[in-house]
Amino acid sequence: SQQGEEDPQALSIQEGENATMNCSYKTSINNLQWYRQNSGRGLVHLILIRSNEREKHSGRLRVTLDTSKKSSSLLITASRAADTASYFCAASGGAGSYQLTFGKGTKLSVIP
Amino acid sequence: DGGITQSPKYLFRKEGQNVTLSCEQNLNHDAMYWYRQDPGQGLRLIYYSQIVNDFQKGDIAEGYSVSREKKESFPLTVTSAQKNPTAFYLCASSNGLGQPQHFGDGTRLSIL
Repeated sequence: SQQGEEDPQALSIQEGENATMNCSYKTSINNLQWYRQNSGRGLVHLILIRSNEREKHSGRLRVTLDTSKKSSSLLITASRAADTASYFCAASGGAGSYQLTFGKGTKLSVIP
Repeated sequence: DGGITQSPKYLFRKEGQNVTLSCEQNLNHDAMYWYRQDPGQGLRLIYYSQIVNDFQKGDIAEGYSVSREKKESFPLTVTSAQKNPTAFYLCASSNGLGQPQHFGDGTRLSIL
């Protein structure tokens, strides 16, 4: 399977700082998606970047994709306490396999 | 409001018992999914369905069964053959495979 792996596993920052999370995957993809999960809740889709895109923005989120390194990063700028959550990347594969394969997540804590 | 409803929120299973988790969506999505999440872990795919009356096994289907008799509904049965069923179960739906997924708020299953 082409599992996404996030790094770091946990991240603690002060409110107003930027948070960067990284994701690596193993094989070719059609797209890569980022999700947020608040404690005890379901996942919420944040952003999707296609394999032919290098960077995408959505509000305070910036996602980059480097297919040569099989890696992606999620940057949250000017973090808020409400950003405290776990963040997962999910790779959607090629060769007819469009299932999403999730990593283990990065647990982000934003301290007010 | 459109969304996915999972019930119950908490469920307890006795030894040798089958239990069924409910998942209903009113998003008119064709594809639906069941994931299992263990503490500190990512999501693992149990079963998915691209269309009514059709479903495929995911990575960890053993000990589970599903049905897809209606577009809106995708119930998951955890059978007595699943020896370690304690986990957080998440249902999701999407417009198609590889597309952003919408999640319910999960069912937490425990063993009595």
